[in-house]
Amino acid sequence: ETGVTQSPTHLIKTRGQQVTLRCSSQSGHNTVSWYQQALGQGPQFIFQYYREEENGRGNFPPRFSGLQFPNYSSELNVNALELDDSALYLCASSLDLGARLNGYTFGSGTRLTVV
Amino acid sequence: AQSVTQLDSQVPVFEEAPVELRCNYSSSVSVYLFWYVQYPNQGLQLLLKYLSGSTLVESINGFEAEFNKSQTSFHLRKPSVHISDTAEYFCAVSGSNFGNEKLTFGTGTRLTIIP
Repeated sequence: ETGVTQSPTHLIKTRGQQVTLRCSSQSGHNTVSWYQQALGQGPQFIFQYYREEENGRGNFPPRFSGLQFPNYSSELNVNALELDDSALYLCASSLDLGARLNGYTFGSGTRLTVV
Repeated sequence: AQSVTQLDSQVPVFEEAPVELRCNYSSSVSVYLFWYVQYPNQGLQLLLKYLSGSTLVESINGFEAEFNKSQTSFHLRKPSVHISDTAEYFCAVSGSNFGNEKLTFGTGTRLTIIP
């Protein structure tokens, strides 16, 4: 059973650019959640996708968008990058939304640096 | 909505000494509670969770946490720490209703083990 895979592991972008981060969910999982972890902070919920539909969104502007594919992998897109978008972006997969069954499995994250 | 407070941002402890990492939560609905551990440059790993039943939950590596509903707390304890326990520890809460199981994290506690 493979875990959650995120790509790329590190990324440097210039302010104003656009970025796409990718996540392959754990085998058997149909839900993907994205979190932003700024340096020295706890992860903040961005949004969640369940069976290709968005199921909840945190306090992030519309320039943060995502989608989930039929194989349950997911992308996080950020437009018009700002310096404050520099963070570790974590993807977590789960079965049927959330925590009750086997919980969330996290990937190792993508470290995004905006300069 | 839920929130989590981790009162201690850093906890230094001598090797083989006991440790307690404090976590308090706030929620208007019934909750699930979690402790996650993050090693440097890695994603989050589930340490233990409380869903229902016995209020004392244990991990395989000697940590335990007790759910206290009246004090809205879920403190993490270990009777004797090792160098390998050096990491960042995050307390998290989610709602217990289907569709409301997104994780809300605290700001983390950095546990440093002193040889």
